[in-house]
Amino acid sequence: NAGVTQTPKFRILKIGQSMTLQCTQDMNHNYMYWYRQDPGMGLKLIYYSVGAGITDKGEVPNGYNVSRSTTEDFPLRLELAAPSQTSVYFCASTKGGDGPGELFFGEGSRLTVL
Amino acid sequence: RKEVEQDPGPFNVPEGATVAFNCTYSNSASQSFFWYRQDCRKEPKLLMSVYSSGNEDGRFTAQLNRASQYISLLIRDSKLSDSATYLCVTNGQNFVFGPGTRLSVLP
Repeated sequence: NAGVTQTPKFRILKIGQSMTLQCTQDMNHNYMYWYRQDPGMGLKLIYYSVGAGITDKGEVPNGYNVSRSTTEDFPLRLELAAPSQTSVYFCASTKGGDGPGELFFGEGSRLTVL
Repeated sequence: RKEVEQDPGPFNVPEGATVAFNCTYSNSASQSFFWYRQDCRKEPKLLMSVYSSGNEDGRFTAQLNRASQYISLLIRDSKLSDSATYLCVTNGQNFVFGPGTRLSVLP
């Protein structure tokens, strides 16, 4: 019963480095999301996808890129990491279709940029 | 103004107390409403959906007032295990999360 799987769980980056956060789900969900959560704050939407080949910007997309080549995978790319990108990143998915259902989250990826 | 606002908290209550959380939302086009629970350093998990008629799940009762754009969550007979942050969530085009209200239930 894997659900939503994120890797890595922890990562330290130097300013200017790049990396990809991986997210995969095995529930055949159409909708996938990337959020970031800063300490004591709510979740902010970075990017989302309503199906393979379709992606859209959320509230805070600057500094990030995504792709959705398959239903299962939704990687988040950080280019030129900055200290402001230090955060906890959550990937989530839901079936979509007839109204919103439950959002299922991965365990999160804790990123520190030094 | 934030799209979803919640009581700032934290709430510190003794075991057995009744505690109420309030939430307001600004987007009148929001169609679905939820309460999520987030334990410290963990991912959010669905606690319950919120329906216009109000709904109850054991010790938890959720209510929605669309006219006032207000959502509430009531926890009765609180347990130590209820300690967590409670997130109010709306869904129109996308899910929008409130900042959360932290609850600590004390022995």
